[in-house]
Amino acid sequence: QSVLTQPPSVSAAPGQKVTISCSGGSSNIGNNYVSWYQQLPGTAPKVLIYENNKRPSGIPDRFSGSKSGTSATLGITGLQTGDEADYYCGTWDGGLSAGVFGGGTRLTVL
Amino acid sequence: QVQLVQSGSELKKPGASVKVSCKASGYTFTTYGMCWVRQAPGQGLEWMGWINTNTGNPTIAQGFAGRFVFSLDTSVSTAYVEISSLKAEDTAVYYCARLFCSGATCWFDFWGQGTMVTVSS
Repeated sequence: QSVLTQPPSVSAAPGQKVTISCSGGSSNIGNNYVSWYQQLPGTAPKVLIYENNKRPSGIPDRFSGSKSGTSATLGITGLQTGDEADYYCGTWDGGLSAGVFGGGTRLTVL
Repeated sequence: QVQLVQSGSELKKPGASVKVSCKASGYTFTTYGMCWVRQAPGQGLEWMGWINTNTGNPTIAQGFAGRFVFSLDTSVSTAYVEISSLKAEDTAVYYCARLFCSGATCWFDFWGQGTMVTVSS
């Protein structure tokens, strides 16, 4: 049982947009920044979004992040078959010096 | 370029120990903390804890205290996790990830390729 709650799966057609939600509480998301990670099949995770809505260099602007209260959302536009992956939200509890992940969401591009 | 290269797959019997390494390159090792993340087969990511590479002080998550030990060899820019008294449920891929912190927040900006540890008799 993960501390952060994500839908197990989402799907959409190529070219469409999808959003993935991440719900937590005041002790985690509510008082901390959120990051998002993409894990392509058989590979290590990669950071897509940090500090709620910032993209590392090399991450296309098709990927976006937002946060409101105790929830965060990852948005992906212009879906491509190469976006099929597992997506995880995460946050860092500065008070505990501890990290926490959501349970992950599998994206299928139909 | 930043790289984290982990040691190879391990097959161990229940009750044995295993030590997984994570060698960093492309940056000053002691500038960033190092985290460990576990992923059981078909499951999600589980944060195990992190080690301050400057002080060597580890922080181990609840559920990993006791049999999991984080250590460093800064002379070769390498972090380790050692797991003792292995159980079948320790079967998983273990990832190291660099901890990038800015102000009050941190995230995992570079990841190792993962090390598969299989515990089976």
